[in-house]
Amino acid sequence: AQSVTQLGSHVSVSEGALVLLRCNYSSSVPPYLFWYVQYPNQGLQLLLKYTTGATLVKGINGFEAEFKKSETSFHLTKPSAHMSDAAEYFCAVMPSSNTGKLIFGQGTTLQVKP
Amino acid sequence: GAVVSQHPSWVICKSGTSVKIECRSLDFQATTMFWYRQFPKQSLMLMATSNEGSKATYEQGVEKDKFLINHASLTLSTLTVTSAHPEDSSFYICSAEIAGTGRKTQYFGPGTRLLVL
Repeated sequence: AQSVTQLGSHVSVSEGALVLLRCNYSSSVPPYLFWYVQYPNQGLQLLLKYTTGATLVKGINGFEAEFKKSETSFHLTKPSAHMSDAAEYFCAVMPSSNTGKLIFGQGTTLQVKP
Repeated sequence: GAVVSQHPSWVICKSGTSVKIECRSLDFQATTMFWYRQFPKQSLMLMATSNEGSKATYEQGVEKDKFLINHASLTLSTLTVTSAHPEDSSFYICSAEIAGTGRKTQYFGPGTRLLVL
């Protein structure tokens, strides 16, 4: 069965520091991969996605992620954290485009310290 | 573009009553909508896939008679929690897939927080 693992339920960085949120997936075939951000008491906002093509994907708010098939990873990075980046981040995999189902990781809370 | 709304955003009800939550795609047509449930500090769990004009497909362990889903139009899906109990208290989030996009991007609503007393 497909699954998504986000390493680290809580990540704390200083403002201006590099943000690295880790995501590994298990899938028998190359899946579609997504990162979503959730602010308190709100729904999810799509940050970026990988479907096909270039493995380095750029998203909104300065985030990017790289699909590494050999490592089954899709880590999210941002060069310089901003206070407004503090939120919950979810990695998700769509194992099959036929069903459209998303399988989410456990989520990582990003704290940004001034 | 690609805005999804949910109504209500908050609902408090007594145990045993039914609650209807609406999910609307405001500026696009959605042949497929998804309903998720999120407990505090946890991830989203898919409850069911709602297809316009047909019966919903429920995930394993989700009671279809308790969580009634109706997708009567290309812009509206409803989730009715029947005979709600305190354990049904949760954050319910819907998402919608733009028709014709090949099932690659879901746009999420803001969520509905249900508290059953």
